[in-house]
Amino acid sequence: EVQLVESGGGLEQPGRSLRLSCVASGFKFADSAMHWVRQIPGKGLEWVSGISWNSGSTAYEASVKGRFTISRDNARNSLYLQMNSLTPEDTALYYCAKGQLPGLAESYGLDVWGQGTTVTVSS
Amino acid sequence: DIQMTQSPSSLSASVGDRVAITCRASQNIRMYVNWYQKKPGKAPKLLISAASSLQVGVPSRFSGSGSGTDFILTIRSLQSEDFATYYCQQSYNPPQTFGQGTRVE
Repeated sequence: EVQLVESGGGLEQPGRSLRLSCVASGFKFADSAMHWVRQIPGKGLEWVSGISWNSGSTAYEASVKGRFTISRDNARNSLYLQMNSLTPEDTALYYCAKGQLPGLAESYGLDVWGQGTTVTVSS
Repeated sequence: DIQMTQSPSSLSASVGDRVAITCRASQNIRMYVNWYQKKPGKAPKLLISAASSLQVGVPSRFSGSGSGTDFILTIRSLQSEDFATYYCQQSYNPPQTFGQGTRVE
């Protein structure tokens, strides 16, 4: 079964850090770009970050650039998001998603999604 | 960054109606638009990629069209299970921005 399972969310204070993880199964993880997408409660979807199949290319949404770092371990079928200097505006449900192609540019859609992990930033 | 503007933000429709949702990109993105369906408590579901490629298992009443800057998602005959929020997304160049969503109610 094709599956993505996120973990690592929780309640954290502003300024602190969290590390999200996503474990993939049922498909060849190393062949696909991977992404993090979030949904703030009551708001729309927001693409957060993406990484190409071989980690050669990464990209970030403007508000997280310099604070978040995406990485992957193809040997472990795992994707990560290191989130530093958290702010209340980072409070959201974070989804891990698989890209249909290996790269980030001129690519297709996100065809496999996890169920998400909730991040709450509050003092 | 490329901005994606969806319209309308919400629409009221009935079972059997034909529904059209538009998405405009702030620059030419060729055919690199994808459409998703989002229901509360569920992960987003990819309906259409590359502007018009229907994903496996998605009913044929869904279709996508357009290229360049203007794109349309059409639901030919709305079914009860189609009441949801729909998002476009550009995958031409990162950051891969989403539209603000269209709620079909």
